[in-house]
Amino acid sequence: AQTIHQWPVAEIKAVGSPLSLGCTIKGKSSPNLYWYWQATGGTLQQLFYSITVGQVESVVQLNLSASRPKDDQFILSTEKLLLSHSGFYLCAWSPEGLYSDYTFGSGTRLLVI
Amino acid sequence: AQSVTQPDARVTVSEGASLQLRCKYSYSGTPYLFWYVQYPRQGLQLLLKYYSGDPVVQGVNGFEAEFIKSNSSFHLRKASVHWSDSAVYFCAVSPMSNYNVLYFGSGTKLTVEP
Repeated sequence: AQTIHQWPVAEIKAVGSPLSLGCTIKGKSSPNLYWYWQATGGTLQQLFYSITVGQVESVVQLNLSASRPKDDQFILSTEKLLLSHSGFYLCAWSPEGLYSDYTFGSGTRLLVI
Repeated sequence: AQSVTQPDARVTVSEGASLQLRCKYSYSGTPYLFWYVQYPRQGLQLLLKYYSGDPVVQGVNGFEAEFIKSNSSFHLRKASVHWSDSAVYFCAVSPMSNYNVLYFGSGTKLTVEP
């Protein structure tokens, strides 16, 4: 069975500090991978997606970047955090192709102070 | 540009009552349509989805939704709610031109009272 793991579970970071959030999918080769951000009490915005290693497409950047260094890994990062980066970050995966369901991780809660 | 509107930020119903959560989308074609549920401090779980065919789709836990193309709507329904249905419900749309992108509505927080 496929599993999706996000790390860390929660972070408190200072404004201006760097950030790296990770997502790993086990049990599925060549998944499509996604990053979403949810402001506290707000809706979800898709940030990035990747359909293959080394290739990332931006949907909404929000001064963040993403990379896919390995088939099963998706990293979200920034060199300088802003207060507005606070929120809940969700990673998801889906099999290739149409009509594929998304499976979401349990998320990382980020507070920037 | 695609948009998804959930006009009701909060809905409160009594246990055993019927439920309808509204969703309208703005898109020139027929998109793929989804309803997700989010329990407190958790990720999202898929309730149901519509791609084509029968406009009434059945989902998990007794939920169903009806796609009405003429109204650009995809309302979620349940005949009899349970207290455990209390959660935030998101409608989402994926354009046929790029099924790797999901646009979410603002969510409806459902509270089921005993």
